[in-house]
Amino acid sequence: DTEVTQTPKHLVMGMTNKKSLKCEQHMGHRAMYWYKQKAKKPPELMFVYSYEKLSINESVPSRFSPECPNSSLLNLHLHALQPEDSALYLCASSQEFSGARHEQYFGPGTRLTVT
Amino acid sequence: SQQGEEDPQALSIQEGENATMNCSYKTSINNLQWYRQNSGRGLVHLILIRSNEREKHSGRLRVTLDTSKKSSSLLITASRAADTASYFCATDGYGGSQGNLIFGKGTKLSVKP
Repeated sequence: DTEVTQTPKHLVMGMTNKKSLKCEQHMGHRAMYWYKQKAKKPPELMFVYSYEKLSINESVPSRFSPECPNSSLLNLHLHALQPEDSALYLCASSQEFSGARHEQYFGPGTRLTVT
Repeated sequence: SQQGEEDPQALSIQEGENATMNCSYKTSINNLQWYRQNSGRGLVHLILIRSNEREKHSGRLRVTLDTSKKSSSLLITASRAADTASYFCATDGYGGSQGNLIFGKGTKLSVKP
């Protein structure tokens, strides 16, 4: 199974809501990533988990809170978001956290709209 | 900050023609990858080329790497309408000293039937 799944596919939330994005992979990968992608832009790295530990936080505002409950699951908790946070949120995984040495497998993304 | 810069930003061709996209990067790398993204979807890995390799093939794809010029190219031969997508190069962060992948701005390819 070489699939990364993400739920939900679409999410509309108000600025006072709390919601969570979920990501799952069963490839035995030890690195998992959250990216944010705005229209016509490349993905921007937000967080990296390596062996279930947070390895990189790219200065992401605290209204985004990542969680890695186990080696197969990755969550992104959202709270008090701003309209400018509307974007496609992509989850990815790779065998190891090792730069471009291993390919990353991406999920289909969650299209988030903040109203 | 972005490591790779794709050129051109947009490319429109007819089905059956070849498409060439270029990527330039700023610092030394260990590996370079190319990804495809259909509109609003996740990225799909196409090919990985290591710094000691000069050329790699995968089906209709041909990737070259010139480390002296800090550039790579992706050639898609005999293009099909299904090749319509955005293509991104991605390199190791900051000369390979970090573990993250840094994406270029991408080339949007449109293949007309």
